[in-house]
Amino acid sequence: DAKTTQPPSMDCAEGRAANLPCNHSTISGNEYVYWYRQIHSQGPQYIIHGLKNNETNEMASLIITEDRKSSTLILPHATLRDTAVYYCIVRVAPGDKIIFGKGTRLHILP
Amino acid sequence: DGGITQSPKYLFRKEGQNVTLSCEQNLNHDAMYWYRQDPGQGLRLIYYSQIVNDFQKGDIAEGYSVSREKKESFPLTVTSAQKNPTAFYLCASSHAGQGGTGELFFGEGSRLTVL
Repeated sequence: DAKTTQPPSMDCAEGRAANLPCNHSTISGNEYVYWYRQIHSQGPQYIIHGLKNNETNEMASLIITEDRKSSTLILPHATLRDTAVYYCIVRVAPGDKIIFGKGTRLHILP
Repeated sequence: DGGITQSPKYLFRKEGQNVTLSCEQNLNHDAMYWYRQDPGQGLRLIYYSQIVNDFQKGDIAEGYSVSREKKESFPLTVTSAQKNPTAFYLCASSHAGQGGTGELFFGEGSRLTVL
């Protein structure tokens, strides 16, 4: 079973920040949090990952709570092209077993 | 360009036939994965391999088989024992062990339809 829980769907107005939550209350100390997104009928695309510090790249920001039991992916200025399913996963090390949950379907509203 | 290639993109088969989906990567990744996705659902892990000549079952391995004879190749065979094989199949690869970001690189997928 997936070790993460996400809301099944969310809406966000175009141009606003999209904040996608993920619960990983059973995360271990050496497990990283990764985020991917999947646009319809394509392979998922890597967005960002982190261990315990907040991270930012050109696509998004990742905020991890101090107890590491939850995180939030932030898309600062959502566009229609951000409409996708977003997956949050936890994993120990590259190459290990990777389980995806059902993700959050993000709808960007014009 | 470096990447991961799946073929064929679309495949039709009759019930009772085995079919093999190809997955090739030139990223020099040690780890490779096969996932199945049904309409409106998330990704479910079929098999994964962390190194050549070794692989492990995922959550839904029944009715599938794999081989890992070469680092760059991880073919998936959907056997006649798989009761509901119609699905979208995704192959992925990543670095294993230390080094690299550990991100997964996905192919474009193979859509299998059983008639």
